[in-house]
Amino acid sequence: DVKVTQSSRYLVKRTGEKVFLECVQDMDHENMFWYRQDPGLGLRLIYFSYDVKMKEKGDIPEGYSVSREKKERFSLILESASTNQTSMYLCASKRRLASRNQPQHFGDGTRLSIL
Amino acid sequence: GIQVEQSPPDLILQEGANSTLRCNFSDSVNNLQWFHQNPWGQLINLFYIPSGTKQNGRLSATTVATERYSLLYISSSQTTDSGVYFCAFRNNFNKFYFGSGTKLNVKP
Repeated sequence: DVKVTQSSRYLVKRTGEKVFLECVQDMDHENMFWYRQDPGLGLRLIYFSYDVKMKEKGDIPEGYSVSREKKERFSLILESASTNQTSMYLCASKRRLASRNQPQHFGDGTRLSIL
Repeated sequence: GIQVEQSPPDLILQEGANSTLRCNFSDSVNNLQWFHQNPWGQLINLFYIPSGTKQNGRLSATTVATERYSLLYISSSQTTDSGVYFCAFRNNFNKFYFGSGTKLNVKP
């Protein structure tokens, strides 16, 4: 079974801090994604990566950066955290040629609060 | 668990035609979303629509939660609308359940 592991379930940081959210998948998937989920807005894509060292901006990349040094790990970085980045963050992965029945495999999410 | 069914599984349209995609779910859900998956595998959020009707350009969506279905309307389809459309919801434990998708091919 595919396992997508996010390093923290809950995280509290202060405004201006540099924050790292880590995601690891164990199924050798090429594609990895970072989303945030907000009430009334649903799931929105921040960044995605289709290979090691490759990254593409999603719908809302402002204030974020990512790193993909190894295939199994995709990190989301908040360079200088702000209160409007308080949210639930979800990581997902997908084999490049995945079946239609499982578009993406999601981690359990990290609930990040910026004070 | 809750089942999410989408229909039709495949749809071929001529450019300019209208279409309706359907999503049925087996129990009450309160955070239904429609996505368009592009060739990179990105899930592009189209609508967050737990109930009611929303419109965005040529797309609109309606969810009737009491009757456990949601509809996605595409009007005046364009070739760029091609791809796979998913409906999905998230349960209280943050697990996503996706339908099997509708693969849309819009021909010029």
